[in-house]
Amino acid sequence: EIVMTQSPATLSVSPGERATLSCRASQSISYNLAWYQQKPGQPPRLLINVASARATGTPARFSGSGSGTEFTLTINGLQSEDFAVYYCQQYNNWPLTFGGGTKVEIK
Amino acid sequence: EVQLVQSRGEVKKPGESVKISCKASGYHFGSYWIAWVRQTPGKGLEWIGIIYPGDSESRYNPSFQGQVTISVDKSGSTAYLQWNTLRASDTATFYCARPLDSGNTFAYWGQGTVVTVSS
Repeated sequence: EIVMTQSPATLSVSPGERATLSCRASQSISYNLAWYQQKPGQPPRLLINVASARATGTPARFSGSGSGTEFTLTINGLQSEDFAVYYCQQYNNWPLTFGGGTKVEIK
Repeated sequence: EVQLVQSRGEVKKPGESVKISCKASGYHFGSYWIAWVRQTPGKGLEWIGIIYPGDSESRYNPSFQGQVTISVDKSGSTAYLQWNTLRASDTATFYCARPLDSGNTFAYWGQGTVVTVSS
């Protein structure tokens, strides 16, 4: 199975600043990567599809990039509602696999 | 509006069985795959498997194959996840999820069902 590795595990950022989250795949997954946001007590929410396409309702401050094995989620101008855990997920191969998550916390 | 409403939490003993459900509404149930995802504090999010209600074709994560069964009741627009013999290590939150379209990214999620297995 493809192993997805996210870094860092925790990112401390001040409101208004930029957050850069990384996701690495153990083998090439082309552009078949999604990003999700999860807040406590809620299911994950799809943010980004096909590595860089914002899902309906995803604010423009969220952007995704990358291909192959290296991917990045950037959040510009962090707002209070953005402090959450973010997961990447590959859907290039079965079984579908998720990264371990990056917690974005208030600095 | 697409909605996935899951059954309430369960508390079971090791060795018991349980079947949790995910009732879909707001779209044609038979036309979209439904997946089940496990979440635990230790292992994070894990994809269990997926089923196509139209013909009940299913695929499982090898890590869960033989441990659980995914099924559907097409007439009731409901998907199920079932265990015949629970273990303490099955304690987790379980989500059902539907892809955005024909792909394998999940735009719609149930609210989650907590299954607790404890003696």
